[in-house]
Parts: sequence; C-alpha cells; structure tokens
Amino acid sequence: EIVLTQSPGTLSLSPGERATLSCRASQSGSTISIAWYQQKVGQAPRLLVYGASSRATGVPDRFSGSGSGTDFTLIINRLEPEDLAVYYCQQYGGSPPWTFGQGTKVEIK
Amino acid sequence: QVQLVESGGGVAQPGRSLRLSCSASGFSFSNYGMDWVRQAPGKGLEWVAVIWHDGSNEYYADSVKGRFTISRDNSKNTLFLHMNSLRVEDTGVYYCARGGPFDLWGQGTLVTVSS
Repeated sequence: EIVLTQSPGTLSLSPGERATLSCRASQSGSTISIAWYQQKVGQAPRLLVYGASSRATGVPDRFSGSGSGTDFTLIINRLEPEDLAVYYCQQYGGSPPWTFGQGTKVEIK
Repeated sequence: QVQLVESGGGVAQPGRSLRLSCSASGFSFSNYGMDWVRQAPGKGLEWVAVIWHDGSNEYYADSVKGRFTISRDNSKNTLFLHMNSLRVEDTGVYYCARGGPFDLWGQGTLVTVSS
C-alpha cells in the first residue's frame, strides 16, 4: 500500500498570498496517478487536479498541480477567503488500494 | 442532472448490518468504476472499496475486507455497500464516488455504530 504524507498540517495565510501544499508518496510507480481534492466544512470533497497536473472542469487557474516520482505539489495562487478548506492528495491508478493523504488545512488570516 | 445520491445510513449496534445505496443519474453509470469513501467524525478521507464498471472486479481496504461487500445493479444505475459485523470504528459519513479520479461525489450518508 502506498502511503501519502502531506505537509504542512495547517497553513495560515492572508488573502492574495500563495499557498504551497506538499504530498509525498512512500513509493513511486509508472501507473500511479495523483489527484488533489478540496473539502469545505460540511461538504463533500471536490476534485481539483488529476494526473498530478491537469485541472478538473471548472477549477480556477489559481490552482495548479505539479510533481512526479514521489513528490507532488498543489499551489494556490492569490488566495481568496473561499479557499478556506482541507486539501487532500490521493493516489489512484494501478492496483488498489487507493489511498489519501491525511490532509492540509488552509486557514485564511 | 449529473448526480449521485446516497441513502441507507442510520444507527446500528455493533455486530449488526446495514446496506447503503447510491443512485446515479445523468450519466452512463455502466461505463464507470464506482467507489465508496468514508470519513470518521473530524477525520480525513478513507477509501473503502471499488467495483469495476461491469462488476468484474472488487477491491477493499484492509479495514473492511471480509465484512463489507460492494455491488452494483447497472440496470438500475445503483451502487451498494453491504456492511456486516459493524464496529464502532465504522462510524462516519459514507460517500459514493465516480471513477478514478473521483470526479463526482454524492452528498454522503451518516452511519453511526453504537450500543
């Protein structure tokens, strides 16, 4: 099973700043794909990025994903108050089990 | 309207069973693998199970293997999760989700296991 470790646990930033979220996988593989999800309080998760760097439909271009191998990053440019949420990375593709990281909480000052 | 709607949650005693349903609409259900994901109160997301689009394969998280069964009825556009031998630690919101990556989620149904 691939373990995903996200850092930091909490990120506290002001509107307009850039948020950098990290996701590290315990192993790499050619069939592994990484997705990022946003979950606001009381809501179901929402897909932001898939295939490490492809934005999902309707996601603002302030959100961008990158990375390969075992290290992946989600960047949120020009933070807005509505970006307050917990962000999860997930690995899928290849053989199950799929796994999620433990989440990074983004707070807006 | 493209959506997933879960039902069947509720309160159950430890050792009992529950069956969750997820009704799909607005897309070709039989073309997609489907998953269940759960979230314990105040905790992160945990993948539970996946079933292939045609029902030919199923996989489970170790935490539910042997107790939970995922199934689907493509003629009724419905996904199921049969949960047996429930434990207190199975408490949480259960979401059904489409595909991999999970580009469509239901609103979730709450399962509470308590004596």
